[in-house]
Amino acid sequence: EIVMTQSPATLSVSPGERATLSCRASQSLSSNLAWYQQKPGQAPRLLVYGASTRATAIPARFSGSGSGTDFTLTISSLQSEDFAIYYCQQYDTWPRTFGQGTKVEIK
Amino acid sequence: EVQLVESGGGLVQPGGSLRLSCAASGFTFSDYWMHWVRQAPGKGLEWVSHIYSDGGTTNYADSVKGRFTISRDNAKNTLYLQMNSLRVEDTAVYYCTRDLLGIDYWGPGTLVTVSS
Repeated sequence: EIVMTQSPATLSVSPGERATLSCRASQSLSSNLAWYQQKPGQAPRLLVYGASTRATAIPARFSGSGSGTDFTLTISSLQSEDFAIYYCQQYDTWPRTFGQGTKVEIK
Repeated sequence: EVQLVESGGGLVQPGGSLRLSCAASGFTFSDYWMHWVRQAPGKGLEWVSHIYSDGGTTNYADSVKGRFTISRDNAKNTLYLQMNSLRVEDTAVYYCTRDLLGIDYWGPGTLVTVSS
């Protein structure tokens, strides 16, 4: 099983600042990685797939990068609606696995 | 508009069974792989199970293998999850999801509570 490790667990950021979230895989995924955003009481929403392709209707301030085992989600200028929990997920092999999440909170 | 709507959750005793359903609409259901993903209260996301578009191949997390069975009825545009021998640790919101380079659509989820 591929273990996905996200860091940090919590990120405190001021509105308008840049946020950088990390996801590391225990073995190479090529680019088979997705990022999701989840707000309280809601289902997750797909942000990025293929490590770097934004999903439909996702604002350009969200960008994904990386390949192999190290991946990054960057939010260039945090808006109030971006404070949430972010998960990475590998879809390279079975079982599919998620990271434990990074909570982005208001500083 | 793609819609996934789960049903069938509720309170069940340890060792009991429950069958979840997911009604799909707004897309050609038979063209897509589907998954169940769960989230225990206050915890992260856990992938549970997957089924190919024709129902011919399935995959399971080790935590549910041998107890849960995923299936689909493409004529009824419905995904199922039969859950047997339920444990307290199966308590979670269960999401029906569509596969497309990751998971591109999620239902609102249905809560399963396993407790005596």
